[in-house]
Amino acid sequence: NAGVMQNPRHLVRRRGQEARLRCSPMKGHSHVYWYRQLPEEGLKFMVYLQKENIIDESGMPKERFSAEFPKEGPSILRIQQVVRGDSAAYFCASSPGRTSTNEKLFFGSGTQLSVL
Amino acid sequence: AQTVTQSQPEMSVQEAETVTLSCTYDTSESNYYLFWYKQPPSRQMILVIRQEAYKQQNATENRFSVNFQKAAKSFSLKISDSQLGDTAMYFCAFMKAEKLVFGKGTKLTVNP
Repeated sequence: NAGVMQNPRHLVRRRGQEARLRCSPMKGHSHVYWYRQLPEEGLKFMVYLQKENIIDESGMPKERFSAEFPKEGPSILRIQQVVRGDSAAYFCASSPGRTSTNEKLFFGSGTQLSVL
Repeated sequence: AQTVTQSQPEMSVQEAETVTLSCTYDTSESNYYLFWYKQPPSRQMILVIRQEAYKQQNATENRFSVNFQKAAKSFSLKISDSQLGDTAMYFCAFMKAEKLVFGKGTKLTVNP
């Protein structure tokens, strides 16, 4: 059973371009979470999705950021018109059910986004 | 709002010795989970240990154990018989309502 797969591992974008980060959860997992890690910081929650639904996006910036988890295919975190402050490591995590019910969370290796 | 504080930005320990990493948190919740994650240079987030707040017994996983003091809102990690492979960033985290709140981390170096 492969772990949580994130790609690309590194992504370089120029200011104003779009960044698309992909996350394939573990097999059988229908809950996906996105976190962002700025340099020298811990991870910060961005969004929680189940298949085809956004459950909690309280950590997402109001503009330029969006996330989806379609019925088929990976979850996508999309950042439009990137700025230098978006440079960070973006982590995806998945679980088979709600983590508040004692389900374990599994993290991917992250995508390092660098904005030039 | 929940916050997690790790007061030791960096620590070092000799191989085979014991080290304790500190973590305090602030919450008004009564039922929650606490975690320690390890992040080696590969960037992978690895779960080290988990504690349910309603359990008084401290969690243990092989060489890793916690000292959970609920009243003091303290959750320290003890690593026994430290190994070179334990060198990493260690993050303390609090979970409530599907969200993890992380501290800023402690960089642990195990010296040969």
